[in-house]
Amino acid sequence: NAGVTQTPKFRVLKTGQSMTLLCAQDMNHEYMYWYRQDPGMGLRLIHYSVGEGTTAKGEVPDGYNVSRLKKQNFLLGLESAAPSQTSVYFCASSAAGQTFQETQYFGPGTRLLVL
Amino acid sequence: KQEVTQIPAALSVPEGENLVLNCSFTDSAIYNLQWFRQDPGKGLTSLLLIQSSQREQTSGRLNASLDKSSGRSTLYIAASQPGDSATYLCAVNIYNFNKFYFGSGTKLNVKP
Repeated sequence: NAGVTQTPKFRVLKTGQSMTLLCAQDMNHEYMYWYRQDPGMGLRLIHYSVGEGTTAKGEVPDGYNVSRLKKQNFLLGLESAAPSQTSVYFCASSAAGQTFQETQYFGPGTRLLVL
Repeated sequence: KQEVTQIPAALSVPEGENLVLNCSFTDSAIYNLQWFRQDPGKGLTSLLLIQSSQREQTSGRLNASLDKSSGRSTLYIAASQPGDSATYLCAVNIYNFNKFYFGSGTKLNVKP
């Protein structure tokens, strides 16, 4: 099992460019999440998905779009990158437990630098 | 809005010392609280998950407690080792679908 994988590991963008971050999980998890981690601020939820074909906004969704066309993949898109989106992006997944007591499994992260 | 605070932000201790990391949260209506470990340049690894009905959880040298009424959790690490050096984050789950609110973490350095 690879668990949760993220592509790419590191990327440099110029302001205004677009890109897509890919997250893949092989644990057959229903739920998937995108977070960003900034120094001194912990992780903040950008968007999440509770199943194939569904997406929902988290705490900081502005400037990002997501898609969950396949259960195992969750894509995060930046249509027009801004320097404020310089961050480390983490994807996570979890099973859909009956009592919502399931842990989240995290990918290794994508470092994004927007110049 | 749920606020999660971790104190201290950084901690340096000699090997072998017992230590306590603190986490506080503002909304006591939580489903569960989880402690994670993050190594530099890596993702997060779950250490302990405490359900809202539980008071504590133990795994090896780690013990996490939860006091919902006061909005506090502690992570106790016994007999610390240099390999414990990492950033420790707590996260609370207050909604369906396992959405977590994270603290900013405590960076622990255990000196040999």
